[in-house]
Amino acid sequence: AAGVIQSPRHLIKEKRETATLKCYPIPRHDTVYWYQQGPGQDPQFLISFYEKMQSDKGSIPDRFSAQQFSDYHSELNMSSLELGDSALYFCASSLVGLAGGPDTQYFGPGTRLTVL
Amino acid sequence: AQTVTQSQPEMSVQEAETVTLSCTYDTSESNYYLFWYKQPPSRQMILVIRQEAYKQQNATENRFSVNFQKAAKSFSLKISDSQLGDTAMYFCAFMSYYQGGSEKLVFGKGTKLTVNP
Repeated sequence: AAGVIQSPRHLIKEKRETATLKCYPIPRHDTVYWYQQGPGQDPQFLISFYEKMQSDKGSIPDRFSAQQFSDYHSELNMSSLELGDSALYFCASSLVGLAGGPDTQYFGPGTRLTVL
Repeated sequence: AQTVTQSQPEMSVQEAETVTLSCTYDTSESNYYLFWYKQPPSRQMILVIRQEAYKQQNATENRFSVNFQKAAKSFSLKISDSQLGDTAMYFCAFMSYYQGGSEKLVFGKGTKLTVNP
């Protein structure tokens, strides 16, 4: 079965640079979530999109922005990178559907961002 | 706000034995799901099992089962016949939902499980 795809898998940036992370959800899934997992930490929710509209927002810095495109893929843009942004960034997708309601979130393999 | 507590930072078990990981949560929501995710050394987040709060029957998936005590807000994971491949960090997670969409996952701090040969 198709899974969530994230690219790149690894990314190394310098302080104050910009990074763009991409997420391709499972086919037919309409909702995308972004999580940040620091070293030795649990994943923390950043932001989510349902049908290309932002649906919820967590502890996402103002330096970060995200969007979901017409083909349902999503991009997380991170500017003015700081050392503390070094983390594993997960994208997850789920199918909420027209009737609404809960569904399991399936995670991609993550993008490991290192800021030097 | 919802909170999830995993009181066992680390556990170990011998291969083929049974181990139980604990999780408690706090919420005022009535509609929610509970999950256990596994994160092996590869750091992939893998769904282990899901429990709908409105269901009284405990969920099972092969060697994995849960003990869901709604009144006590407790959600433990039992792994039977432990295998070396079960070595991983296990996260308990909570998700509330509403008509029209799902909420974010709220994770516990995790329990690092080591299965010894």
